[in-house]
Amino acid sequence: ETGVTQSPTHLIKTRGQQVTLRCSSQSGHNTVSWYQQALGQGPQFIFQYYREEENGRGNFPPRFSGLQFPNYSSELNVNALELDDSALYLCASSLDGRTANSPLHFGNGTRLTVT
Amino acid sequence: AQSVTQLGSHVSVSEGALVLLRCNYSSSVPPYLFWYVQYPNQGLQLLLKYTSAATLVKGINGFEAEFKKSETSFHLTKPSAHMSDAAEYFCAVTGTGNQFYFGTGTSLTVIP
Repeated sequence: ETGVTQSPTHLIKTRGQQVTLRCSSQSGHNTVSWYQQALGQGPQFIFQYYREEENGRGNFPPRFSGLQFPNYSSELNVNALELDDSALYLCASSLDGRTANSPLHFGNGTRLTVT
Repeated sequence: AQSVTQLGSHVSVSEGALVLLRCNYSSSVPPYLFWYVQYPNQGLQLLLKYTSAATLVKGINGFEAEFKKSETSFHLTKPSAHMSDAAEYFCAVTGTGNQFYFGTGTSLTVIP
């Protein structure tokens, strides 16, 4: 069983640039969620995709956007990067995003540094 | 709305001693509760989950947690700490929605 994989592992960008992060979900999972984890904090929900449709969004501005593909892999795009966007970005897949008790299975994250 | 509070951002225990990490939740609906562990430079790994079956939940690596509705708590315990338990631990709650609400984490140090 293949777990959740994320790429790249590290990324350095300049303020104002755009970035795309990628995620492959665990085999058999149709739901992908993205979380932002700032240093010393717990993960914060960005949004979730279920069967290629956005299925919930946290308190993040529209410059955070995403996609889910037919194979259930996903991308997170961030435009107009700000210094505060520096964080660990975690992708998590789950068996069924419609059920609240479906556990999240996390990848190892992408460490984004904005200078 | 849901939220969790983890009391104690840092906990130190001696190897072989009891581990107790505290989590209190707030939820307007019956909650689902989870504990995750995060090792340095890694993602979060599920330790255990409570989904309204048994109130005492056993997880991986010898950890367990007890759901106490009257106290709105879901504390994580392990009878005997091992050096490999040193990590960051996160409590999380969900309810009717699909969003997980995580606490700010507790860093566990195990002293040899």
